[in-house]
Amino acid sequence: DAGVTQSPTHLIKTRGQQVTLRCSPKSGHDTVSWYQQALGQGPQFIFQYYEEEERQRGNFPDRFSGHQFPNYSSELNVNALLLGDSALYLCASSLGAQYSQHFGDGTRLSIL
Amino acid sequence: GEDVEQSLFLSVREGDSSVINCTYTDSSSTYLYWYKQEPGAGLQLLTYIFSNMDMKQDQRLTVLLNKKDKHLSLRIADTQTGDSAIYFCAETKEYGNKLVFGAGTILRVKS
Repeated sequence: DAGVTQSPTHLIKTRGQQVTLRCSPKSGHDTVSWYQQALGQGPQFIFQYYEEEERQRGNFPDRFSGHQFPNYSSELNVNALLLGDSALYLCASSLGAQYSQHFGDGTRLSIL
Repeated sequence: GEDVEQSLFLSVREGDSSVINCTYTDSSSTYLYWYKQEPGAGLQLLTYIFSNMDMKQDQRLTVLLNKKDKHLSLRIADTQTGDSAIYFCAETKEYGNKLVFGAGTILRVKS
């Protein structure tokens, strides 16, 4: 039973570029949440997708956007990258709002 | 407001018990979680407790919740070197809803 999978594992970009990160939820899960974890800090909630719609959003600018596909997989897009966007981006999946969130291993994004 | 605080570092000897503490400010928190993060990895769900419970035990793990003081603790019995990791406390108002995390406690286990 595959857990939450994320791709790519590592990514290097330069300031001003755009990036797309991908997430496949754990089998049977239909809700995907994205978190940003800066070095030495706890994860910060970006947004959550359910039934292909953004259900809840954290305190992140509009440069951060997302999408959920009919197969429940999800993408996180970040435009106009800043040095401060360097972080580990974590995807978590759950079965609706009824069960605990399970995390993938994340995508390490470095901005030069 | 939402705020979760944890002590930054804990060092124990192998075989001893570890106690990691967490305080939170939001009295409407419904579920409280403990996650473990090993180097280069994502977060592994260890256990959780519902806000109407005082204690939950799961093998070597014991979670204590003092709702009056908004204090949560995780006790790891017979701590092993494989328990060395960062431990995060998190709270949410609804099951599966957004998680609010503390900054994490680094647990170092000395053999």
